[in-house]
Amino acid sequence: GEDVEQSLFLSVREGDSSVINCTYTDSSSTYLYWYKQEPGAGLQLLTYIFSNMDMKQDQRLTVLLNKKDKHLSLRIADTQTGDSAIYFCAGGSYIPTFGRGTSLIVHP
Amino acid sequence: DVKVTQSSRYLVKRTGEKVFLECVQDMDHENMFWYRQDPGLGLRLIYFSYDVKMKEKGDIPEGYSVSREKKERFSLILESASTNQTSMYLCASSTGKETQYFGPGTRLLVL
Repeated sequence: GEDVEQSLFLSVREGDSSVINCTYTDSSSTYLYWYKQEPGAGLQLLTYIFSNMDMKQDQRLTVLLNKKDKHLSLRIADTQTGDSAIYFCAGGSYIPTFGRGTSLIVHP
Repeated sequence: DVKVTQSSRYLVKRTGEKVFLECVQDMDHENMFWYRQDPGLGLRLIYFSYDVKMKEKGDIPEGYSVSREKKERFSLILESASTNQTSMYLCASSTGKETQYFGPGTRLLVL
């Protein structure tokens, strides 16, 4: 089955860019996802990338996919305190497998 | 917009009690899922269902059962709650093309 790995914590200063990284093992994943979880809430789909794409941009969010290295990243430009949350990477061929989540802490 | 609702945001139960967690989705999705989320462990799949009355075990089904009598509703049952089932429980639904939509979660405390 799929194995998804991501670092557990990231701390950035407000206004800087944040980059959250993820590696996965299943090269047959059709889509790869980023979910955001704010404190006390469920997971919210943030963005996704189709496996035949290299990059997807959506306002402040940029997703980069390196299929050769099985590496996915999420870049948040001009990070704000409201971006503080846990970010989950997920991928898989039928039922997504989730990483353990990266806690993004944004400080002034 | 897809809406997935869960019956309770917070629940406190005693060891040995039978606990029902309800999840309802309003988008006619075929697939529904129950996960538990624990700090440092991420999301772990308990059970999922791909059709009414159909269910499949996930990675950690022990101590849990599920019921899907109607397409829009998926229930998670703790037959005899134990303290190690204290957790955040998340329900999700999907059309089968992988993108999952999550409910707000139920935080369960078993005393």
